Amino acid sequence: DQQVKQNSPSLSVQEGRISILNCDYTNSMFDYFLWYKKYPAEGPTFLISISSIKDKNEDGRFTVFLNKSAKHLSLHIVPSQPGDSAVYFCAASGETSGSRLTFGEGTQLTVNP
Amino acid sequence: DGGITQSPKYLFRKEGQNVTLSCEQNLNHDAMYWYRQDPGQGLRLIYYSQIVNDFQKGDIAEGYSVSREKKESFPLTVTSAQKNPTAFYLCASSIRAGHQYFGPGTRLLVL
Repeated sequence: DQQVKQNSPSLSVQEGRISILNCDYTNSMFDYFLWYKKYPAEGPTFLISISSIKDKNEDGRFTVFLNKSAKHLSLHIVPSQPGDSAVYFCAASGETSGSRLTFGEGTQLTVNP
Repeated sequence: DGGITQSPKYLFRKEGQNVTLSCEQNLNHDAMYWYRQDPGQGLRLIYYSQIVNDFQKGDIAEGYSVSREKKESFPLTVTSAQKNPTAFYLCASSIRAGHQYFGPGTRLLVL
C-alpha cells in the first residue's frame, strides 16, 4: 500500500521556467510534509516542509502548496536552474507514525540550459 | 563540524556472508533510521530507533538486524538471509519527529 505517491517519474523543464512536482497521499493522519532533493550516490538533503495547519510555505525559489481536501501537495521551483536537476522525494509523517517518514518514489527533474 | 557519517562508501558481500554497515552521528539526535534505495524506487524504511537501546522494524526488516547501544551509533547488519542485498543504503537521524538528516550512503554489491 503506497501511502505517498509521486506519479511522474520524470520532468523536464527549460532553465528560467517553473518546475512543478506533485505528490499525493492517502493517509489522512499525515500532518507534516517534506520535500528532499537527492543527487546520484549521495544522501537526500532537506528542502522545505509544511505543516497541515498551513496551505503554503515559501523559501526563496521553492514553494510548497498543500491541499488537504485533495490530499495533494506540490513543490514549485521558480526560476528553475540547471543545478536543480536531481531526484525530488516527497515525504510525510503524522502523530501515529511517530518520527518515521513515508517517502514517495521520487521524480527526476532535469532543467535544460 | 556536525553530521552523519557512513562507512564504507562501497561494500562487497560474498554469498552466505553477513556484513555490517556503520552509521555515526554527532548531532545529538535521539532518533536514527536505515533506508534502502533501489533503482527507480523511493526510500524504504528498514529499521528505526527513537531512543538508545530500543528499535523497531520498518517496512522491509527481513534479513537485516540493528543495534543501538550508543546514541551516536546505529549499525546495520545485512545477514545471509537477505536474498537481494544489492542496493544503496542510507542512514538518517532526527530530533524525534521532524526532518531527517541523511548520511552520504553505502553502496552494497554482491560478488
